Amino acid sequence: NAGVTQTPKFQVLKTGQSMTLQCAQDMNHNSMYWYRQDPGMGLRLIYYSASEGTTDKGEVPNGYNVSRLNKREFSLRLESAAPSQTSVYFCAVEPGTGDDEQFFGPGTRLTVL
Amino acid sequence: AQSVTQLDSHVSVSEGTPVLLRCNYSSSYSPSLFWYVQHPNKGLQLLLKYTSAATLVKGINGFEAEFKKSETSFHLTKPSAHMSDAAEYFCVVSSGGSYIPTFGRGTSLIVHP
Repeated sequence: NAGVTQTPKFQVLKTGQSMTLQCAQDMNHNSMYWYRQDPGMGLRLIYYSASEGTTDKGEVPNGYNVSRLNKREFSLRLESAAPSQTSVYFCAVEPGTGDDEQFFGPGTRLTVL
Repeated sequence: AQSVTQLDSHVSVSEGTPVLLRCNYSSSYSPSLFWYVQHPNKGLQLLLKYTSAATLVKGINGFEAEFKKSETSFHLTKPSAHMSDAAEYFCVVSSGGSYIPTFGRGTSLIVHP
């Protein structure tokens, strides 16, 4: 079992370019999350999907959109990348209670020039 | 509302000596509390969790934490540090089925030989 996978692992963009980060899980969990990690800031929630068919904003949603494609997949899109979006992005999954253990992917390191 | 404060951004210990990483929280509901570990360039992994059962929680790799409601604390301890414990540690609070956990800013554990 792969658990939680993320693609790509690394990406460099120019300001204004767009891209989609992909997350997939084989854990059959209901809830999926996107975080960004910046030095000294911990992890901050961008968007989450409590269950298939629903998405909600987290703490820092501006500049991002998400799609819960099916139960397994949850994508994060940057429509017009900005240098402030340079970060490491993590996808996580959780059984579906809203306050249980989360399982994290390996991360995507994004640099916006 | 909920919040979490990790009281030390860096903790330095010698191999074989005890480890103490401090975490204080606030929550309007009965909280679920977690400690995660992140090794360099990796995703986060659960060390242990408290979900209103025993107040002394044992986790992986010899770590444990004690939930103290009167002090609103959930400090992480280990009797004897190992070089492989060097990593970033995050305290997380979640409550009320909110789907929005709050992460502390992290404590970097440095282990000297």
